[in-house]
Order: sequence, then C-alpha cells, then structure tokens
Amino acid sequence: KQEVTQIPAALSVPEGENLVLNCSFTDSAIYNLQWFRQDPGKGLTSLLLIQSSQREQTSGRLNASLDKSSGRSTLYIAASQPGDSATYLCAVIVNYGQNFVFGPGTRLSVLP
Amino acid sequence: DAGVIQSPRHEVTEMGQEVTLRCKPISGHDYLFWYRQTMMRGLELLIYFNNNVPIDDSGMPEDRFSAKMPNASFSTLKIQPSEPRDSAVYFCASSLGTGGYGYTFGSGTRLTVV
Repeated sequence: KQEVTQIPAALSVPEGENLVLNCSFTDSAIYNLQWFRQDPGKGLTSLLLIQSSQREQTSGRLNASLDKSSGRSTLYIAASQPGDSATYLCAVIVNYGQNFVFGPGTRLSVLP
Repeated sequence: DAGVIQSPRHEVTEMGQEVTLRCKPISGHDYLFWYRQTMMRGLELLIYFNNNVPIDDSGMPEDRFSAKMPNASFSTLKIQPSEPRDSAVYFCASSLGTGGYGYTFGSGTRLTVV
C-alpha cells in the first residue's frame, strides 16, 4: 500500500528565506506526483505536477523535483513571502493515474 | 467556469440525522472524486466516478455512507445515520482524464455532527 510522508510537519521562517519541503513515498511505481497548496478553510490548489518521466518542474519562485528511485520529492520556495503561508501537500498518483494518495502536509508560516 | 461547486459550505446536524452533501463538477470533466479531511487521518479518498460510474468505493468507511452521480453535472454524498465521528471537511474534486491533469478541488463542506 502506497504511503506518503512529509517533513517537517510545520515550519516557520522569516520573510525572504529560501526553503525546502520534503515528501517521501513508499512505492516508486507512481504515475505522477503533484504538489498542492491549502489555505485555511479552503480547498486545495494545484501548484506543480511532475510526470514520472520528469525530474523537475518550475513555476515562478517554486521548483519541485522528483527522484522516483529513492521515493522522494522536494518543493523549493525561493525568497519566501508572507503570502506563501499555507499548508503544502504532496500527492502521488497511482492506479494508472486515476487517484491520488496524499501526504499529511507541511504547515508553513512566513513571518514579515 | 465557476470551478467545482459544493454545497452546503457548513452543515451542523444532530447524531442520527441524514446528511446530504452536493457537488457540481467542472463541465466536461469525466472524473469526480469525494475526499474526507480530518486532523487525525488527513485527506482520504472515499469514492470516485468515471463518466458517472463508480469505479472505486473502497474508501467509503461504512454502509452508512453512499454516493451517487445521476448525471455528469451532479453528485451527492449521503450519510445516514450520521455520527459525531463523521465530523470532518468533505471535498469534491473533478478532473479531465487521468494523471492528475486539471485536477480541481471544491471549497469543501464542513460537517459537524453533535
């Protein structure tokens, strides 16, 4: 059974810092991997999707990497801003791409 | 498109009552997913549909839970009878095809059973 873990569970940083969020999964036979953002009381918003054949994806200040063989992904946030404060969830897509298995998330606070 | 629309946003009900949660997926999306989110268990997949047909309901916790998708633009998740341990945020999501592309979540329904 696929399991997804994320560390750290929570992170607090001053504005402007670069930071890395980590995601690990137990079964390397994944279809794709996706990072989501969840703001308090809201649904999830897709940030980056990495296909299993890719090593990384970039969008603005965000960069996500994928190492299938080691079962790891990282989300790098450059020059963090208070507006980045949210919970970030990693999800792997299994079962021929039909559904996600989510990690527990990392709660990020960026202090002004 | 207005995105995935869920109703109600909040629901407070008494134990033993029937609860119905509603979801309107994005037009043209052929997959619809129901999730439950709690502090203890995180985000769990309950059931998903493809072209209105239930594909995998192995995540539905008990027979008290049922889901239907009578047409491409509407789905319901019903809990009967409800129990306090069903209190959670229930999310609906839809996508076009597999692989996670265009995966869009609704804003969720916060259910409190007292």
